[in-house]
Amino acid sequence: EAQVTQNPRYLITVTGKKLTVTCSQNMNHEYMSWYRQDPGLGLRQIYYSMNVEVTDKGDVPEGYKVSRKEKRNFPLILESPSPNQTSLYFCASRPFPGTSFGTQYFGPGTRLTVL
Amino acid sequence: RKEVEQDPGPFNVPEGATVAFNCTYSNSASQSFFWYRQDCRKEPKLLMSVYSSGNEDGRFTAQLNRASQYISLLIRDSKLSDSATYLCVVTYNTDKLIFGTGTRLQVFP
Repeated sequence: EAQVTQNPRYLITVTGKKLTVTCSQNMNHEYMSWYRQDPGLGLRQIYYSMNVEVTDKGDVPEGYKVSRKEKRNFPLILESPSPNQTSLYFCASRPFPGTSFGTQYFGPGTRLTVL
Repeated sequence: RKEVEQDPGPFNVPEGATVAFNCTYSNSASQSFFWYRQDCRKEPKLLMSVYSSGNEDGRFTAQLNRASQYISLLIRDSKLSDSATYLCVVTYNTDKLIFGTGTRLQVFP
């Protein structure tokens, strides 16, 4: 089954404790990205990657890091989480270039709470 | 001004009703347009693309008005299962999708 998986799905942590949210896709997609979703602000892109070893900042990259060492994986790293990073996070992938690049597949989401 | 704007709703409609949402976008260079559906606390999923000539998929009709820079989604014969948040998505380059904040629809019996 074609899918994007994320782990963990739920995480409560404390300020300053480094964490990683993993993302993996099995569709051989080149393009992967991370979003955060907050009430009233919608989905905002954090980072994206157009292929292995190619990553770039989205709209809200501060406080986050990513890496793309393999095509299928795109982990999101919070080196020193802060309460304002409490949010719902989605990983997404799509082929690039694609005939319809709006067809983006999202992972199930990770609900992160930073105390 | 936000790049993509939607009325947050909620739109509360009875089963069988017809309901329409609009979405306005600010960048006239926008190239592609989509509607996504998001159920509560779940991931967004593509509902339909929006083509210049308008397009239909069953009970759903999408329209694009480039002159006025808005897209619309019409849902006929609403079902309880249509209750969700509908996200308007716009692109203006090959890399990035810009999401609206969504319009919430609640269909009641």
